[in-house]
Amino acid sequence: EAQVTQNPRYLITVTGKKLTVTCSQNMNHEYMSWYRQDPGLGLRQIYYSMNVEVTDKGDVPEGYKVSRKEKRNFPLILESPSPNQTSLYFCASSNRRGGISGANVLTFGAGSRLTVL
Amino acid sequence: GDSVTQMEGPVTLSEEAFLTINCTYTATGYPSLFWYVQYPGEGLQLLLKATKADDKGSNKGFEATYRKETTSFHLEKGSVQVSDSAVYFCALLGTASKLTFGTGTRLQVTL
Repeated sequence: EAQVTQNPRYLITVTGKKLTVTCSQNMNHEYMSWYRQDPGLGLRQIYYSMNVEVTDKGDVPEGYKVSRKEKRNFPLILESPSPNQTSLYFCASSNRRGGISGANVLTFGAGSRLTVL
Repeated sequence: GDSVTQMEGPVTLSEEAFLTINCTYTATGYPSLFWYVQYPGEGLQLLLKATKADDKGSNKGFEATYRKETTSFHLEKGSVQVSDSAVYFCALLGTASKLTFGTGTRLQVTL
């Protein structure tokens, strides 16, 4: 089944304790992206990647890191989490730069709910 | 920059009622427009899309027409069901190949 898999789905951690949220897709997609969803703010893009070893900042990259060493994986790293990073995180992928022609759309993971105490 | 404005929720309707969720956008050029749906506990799924002016996207009884003159892409359904209860996001894909989302509208359908 074609899908985007995120882990963990739920995590409670404490301020300053490094964590990684993994994202993997099995569709051979070039484009991958991380979003955070907060009440009243919709989805905001954190980082995205056009292809292996190519990553760029989105709208809210502060406090996050990413890497794209393999095509299928795009982990989100929080080096020193803070309470304002408590949110619902989504990874998504697409086979052509997030749908540049409008014909290719994003496939989303099920989400990772992170709480930073 | 690009932006999407959706009507505030929550929207509460009785089953079989008519649904409209308003969406307007600001963008340069000719963006593609989308509606995504998020069911409880799940990620977003594409509901429908339109890639040029006057296109009508449709799926599962939902429709939206790309209106360039009013910069709108309102979502409609003639008869909602309890199973349609979800959060609906309007989004646009602009010239920078970036997907911009609205804040989402929660729909609650009751029997």
